[in-house]
Amino acid sequence: GQNIDQPTEMTATEGAIVQINCTYQTSGFNGLFWYQQHAGEAPTFLSYNVLDGLEEKGRFSSFLSRSKGYSYLLLKELQMKDSASYLCAALEGLNAGNNRKLIWGLGTSLGVNP
Amino acid sequence: ETGVTQTPRHLVMGMTNKKSLKCEQHLGHNAMYWYKQSAKKPLELMFVYSLEERVENNSVPSRFSPECPNSSHLFLHLHTLQPEDSALYLCASSQATQNSPLHFGNGTRLTVT
Repeated sequence: GQNIDQPTEMTATEGAIVQINCTYQTSGFNGLFWYQQHAGEAPTFLSYNVLDGLEEKGRFSSFLSRSKGYSYLLLKELQMKDSASYLCAALEGLNAGNNRKLIWGLGTSLGVNP
Repeated sequence: ETGVTQTPRHLVMGMTNKKSLKCEQHLGHNAMYWYKQSAKKPLELMFVYSLEERVENNSVPSRFSPECPNSSHLFLHLHTLQPEDSALYLCASSQATQNSPLHFGNGTRLTVT
């Protein structure tokens, strides 16, 4: 079946490092997205991984292991503004049309404390 | 500013009302989407227009009706809604390629009374 799991809530301290995990099960796989959503705002794109390994983008990095069905988002030098929900979404294999299907997690609510 | 603009930001409507949500994208994308976001549920894809082809999620009730007059504009027409339809409705756009990220609008917070 199709399933995405990520922790519901996490808390961390300003300046620290936090890792948000995501495991997935999909029918075919064409990559994994991470989005950030502040309360009352639009989700914004953070990263896309399709190959195994770590992709670094400033303070944020994303890792993928296709064989383990596992990804994580790593946030370094945490700032108060990083308090948000982080959504993991797996891209299933394309169907016969040009339609792709994203399987979304419930999101991880991260609170950053001073 | 997200490049995807949704109006209104908030909407309260009775079950017998008819209203429409509007979305406009200024990013030159060729696919547009309606998503429903409810508490403690994953994002639910409602409708997609991609390369002028409409794709429906068959579990969406007929009281929701999309309209996409061109690649930059998307509407969601609402009629005879139920209280359980109260949610955040998000519009998004992307290029119609499989790994293109979605660009979301700020959403319309809908309350059905």
